[in-house]
Amino acid sequence: DQQVKQNSPSLSVQEGRISILNCDYTNSMFDYFLWYKKYPAEGPTFLISISSIKDKNEDGRFTVFLNKSAKHLSLHIVPSQPGDSAVYFCAASVNFGNEKLTFGTGTRLTIIP
Amino acid sequence: EAQVTQNPRYLITVTGKKLTVTCSQNMNHEYMSWYRQDPGLGLRQIYYSMNVEVTDKGDVPEGYKVSRKEKRNFPLILESPSPNQTSLYFCASSSPSGGTLAQYFGPGTRLTVL
Repeated sequence: DQQVKQNSPSLSVQEGRISILNCDYTNSMFDYFLWYKKYPAEGPTFLISISSIKDKNEDGRFTVFLNKSAKHLSLHIVPSQPGDSAVYFCAASVNFGNEKLTFGTGTRLTIIP
Repeated sequence: EAQVTQNPRYLITVTGKKLTVTCSQNMNHEYMSWYRQDPGLGLRQIYYSMNVEVTDKGDVPEGYKVSRKEKRNFPLILESPSPNQTSLYFCASSSPSGGTLAQYFGPGTRLTVL
């Protein structure tokens, strides 16, 4: 049972435009969410996180939106740059401070120059 | 430099031959985890540890063992590897005091079991 789902395995976006990556979850106990980025032959790197007490968190070009009623979160990258081409994973935890994370299957983002 | 190191980076072995993949972090993090990454399945947590001598099962613990005798080290042990454990393995560490629970990942260990 996939509790965290990223339904788009891949996404292509023109450089300079907005990239929107989506993530859905089924476990209503999740209340802390993270996004990671992964380049080939490297470990994932943390991008941004959000607690369920918020509906938006922003860090530079990256913004994460959380819609608790829809059990949906999204990552917006504006403007998209070639270096953003990578696989993006969303992850969820039952509470902040709990090391048990459940990851989605990932979305491969390709930025077209 | 803050980092998580894993060894070996690549390993080819045969069914049933016990192996250990080491993981070490130099950030004094309380939390450490092991994941495996498989095509179409994303990252799945094998085991995690929230402090020395405290470990718990993740989503796919079968066939694996871990120990946390020191804060910096969290080895992954495969007592009797089987071909379905062929995968890319990542170790990660984090600290709740950082305010984000962001995990720092190692570079990965690609394991092939023949």
